[in-house]
Amino acid sequence: DTAVSQTPKYLVTQMGNDKSIKCEQNLGHDTMYWYKQDSKKFLKIMFSYNNKELIINETVPNRFSPKSPDKAHLNLHINSLELGDSAVYFCASSQVRDRVPLHFGNGTRLTVT
Amino acid sequence: GIQVEQSPPDLILQEGANSTLRCNFSDSVNNLQWFHQNPWGQLINLFYIPSGTKQNGRLSATTVATERYSLLYISSSQTTDSGVYFCAVGTQGGSEKLVFGKGTKLTVNP
Repeated sequence: DTAVSQTPKYLVTQMGNDKSIKCEQNLGHDTMYWYKQDSKKFLKIMFSYNNKELIINETVPNRFSPKSPDKAHLNLHINSLELGDSAVYFCASSQVRDRVPLHFGNGTRLTVT
Repeated sequence: GIQVEQSPPDLILQEGANSTLRCNFSDSVNNLQWFHQNPWGQLINLFYIPSGTKQNGRLSATTVATERYSLLYISSSQTTDSGVYFCAVGTQGGSEKLVFGKGTKLTVNP
């Protein structure tokens, strides 16, 4: 009965490869997010989707492309991976209009070698 | 953009001690949340508290929006309280765009 689940938990890959991270929430929330946590634990929003519509797109290289097939799913595809992309990526969801707090997934640790 | 500062950056306690973590922010906010990241990396929402005071067991939080700060109190700390505590603020009522502080790393020793 996991609320926000993301896969895979760990991802080790070489520079130049393309990879995807998947996220699903079963809370019925209308908004989903991708956050990046760097090696110093700093958390920064990357993208936000509300009912499949992109509403926040922070300054992120266009190698990162989010896709939301429906409001319960938000995937993150990364092209041409670079060493600096190594981080923990968190998916999250909330119900914005009802001011529901942010619920995070367990994170995906991406290591680019 | 809005700035969020948390203090102290690091805190070491003995089990049973009490502590206060502080979050200062540079502008008016309509959304403030506290999170705990445990040693396994999981981020758990503790409080949604844009103003006022809330309590949940040994934890409580107070936000004084007019003075642009929030406090998280941990009483009778336990080793399971260890981890990083984050404050996040937003200028909209929902969680649309939260800005996170750099966190307070808490270590509770047995």
